[in-house]
Amino acid sequence: KAGVTQTPRYLIKTRGQQVTLSCSPISGHRSVSWYQQTPGQGLQFLFEYFSETQRNKGNFPGRFSGRQFSNSRSEMNVSTLELGDSALYLCASSLRASGNNEQFFGPGTRLTVL
Amino acid sequence: AQRVTQPEKLLSVFKGAPVELKCNYSYSGSPELFWYVQYSRQRLQLLLRHISRESIKGFTADLNKGETSFHLKKPFAQEEDSAMYYCALRPFGNEKLTFGTGTRLTIIP
Repeated sequence: KAGVTQTPRYLIKTRGQQVTLSCSPISGHRSVSWYQQTPGQGLQFLFEYFSETQRNKGNFPGRFSGRQFSNSRSEMNVSTLELGDSALYLCASSLRASGNNEQFFGPGTRLTVL
Repeated sequence: AQRVTQPEKLLSVFKGAPVELKCNYSYSGSPELFWYVQYSRQRLQLLLRHISRESIKGFTADLNKGETSFHLKKPFAQEEDSAMYYCALRPFGNEKLTFGTGTRLTIIP
């Protein structure tokens, strides 16, 4: 089975712009979670989607949003980018959204905001 | 609120020596505890979870509810164990993982 894929792998944006990141889960997986990884804050949960519905949300401002499509692919969007949004954004997929199953992580998208 | 603490940012151990990476957590309910590992230039991957009680690559971890700890141990370190290790907590029935800040383990040949 192919693993979780994320596109693009690298992205450079300037302050004030917006960005969309994409995540394709493992085939058959229906739950997708997003995490932000920075040297200062470590790995922080952004949100989780299952069956096109957001089930959990972390403590991030409304500039961070996401969605999931009927084929379970997910996108996250960050509007009005700030320097502090520079980070590695990881997506993880799992079979279902009830816990008790392993989350598989993608390679991440490295976002740099100038 | 849930919190995971890994007190050591860096840990260096000689090859063949025992390894212990510390993890403490706080959570009011019943959590699932995990150890994730990230080798150089590889993606984050699950090493072990407390529910399965397995030994993976010689590593074990026991959940101590009294001390709210989930320390990772290996009796004899190998060079290929050098990596970044993250302890994580998840409430039962939930996908949200809360990670510790990680410990970079370096095995000295």
